[in-house]
Amino acid sequence: AQTVTQSQPEMSVQEAETVTLSCTYDTSESDYYLFWYKQPPSRQMILVIRQEAYKQQNATENRFSVNFQKAAKSFSLKISDSQLGDAAMYFCAYMNNNDMRFGAGTRLTVKP
Amino acid sequence: EAGVVQSPRYKIIEKKQPVAFWCNPISGHNTLYWYRQNLGQGPELLIRYENEEAVDDSQLPKDRFSAERLKGVDSTLKIQPAELGDSAVYLCASASGPREKLFFGSGTQLSVL
Repeated sequence: AQTVTQSQPEMSVQEAETVTLSCTYDTSESDYYLFWYKQPPSRQMILVIRQEAYKQQNATENRFSVNFQKAAKSFSLKISDSQLGDAAMYFCAYMNNNDMRFGAGTRLTVKP
Repeated sequence: EAGVVQSPRYKIIEKKQPVAFWCNPISGHNTLYWYRQNLGQGPELLIRYENEEAVDDSQLPKDRFSAERLKGVDSTLKIQPAELGDSAVYLCASASGPREKLFFGSGTQLSVL
């Protein structure tokens, strides 16, 4: 079974600074997808960024970028120029076919 | 475009009572998921539907949980009887196809007293 590990239960960043959230996963598959989702207190899971495993280029979405290391099975999220609205739970997720599995999450606090 | 709609948003029941959650996915989305999210943890898959067929229900506690997706659109998740440990947020999500991103509803927060 595939597992997703987020080793940082909590992280804190100063507004306008950069923070990196870690994620590792375990799989024997070569073709899969990785995601970062954000969950604010409203509980709605919001997609932040998506990476296809067969693409070597790291995905980027505005202030959000990933460092995808396929051999190391690592998928970290970098948030640049952090904003107060970035404060939330962040979940790393692995998908093979239609099966999506989540990590335990990292709670990000943004200090003004 | 309307998102994934779930109801109710909150539900409080006493143990041993039945409870049901409803989900209306995004129009045209064939894949529907039910997840359970315990406090401080990530979502855990309960069941996945492709159209009206349950293709992965290995994590669904079948002694008390049941689900259905009639006509491949709306879905209902039921617990009977509820136990204290069932207190959690139940999330519904849908996707347009294989390997596509999931769109989530706002979830139902269940409290079993």
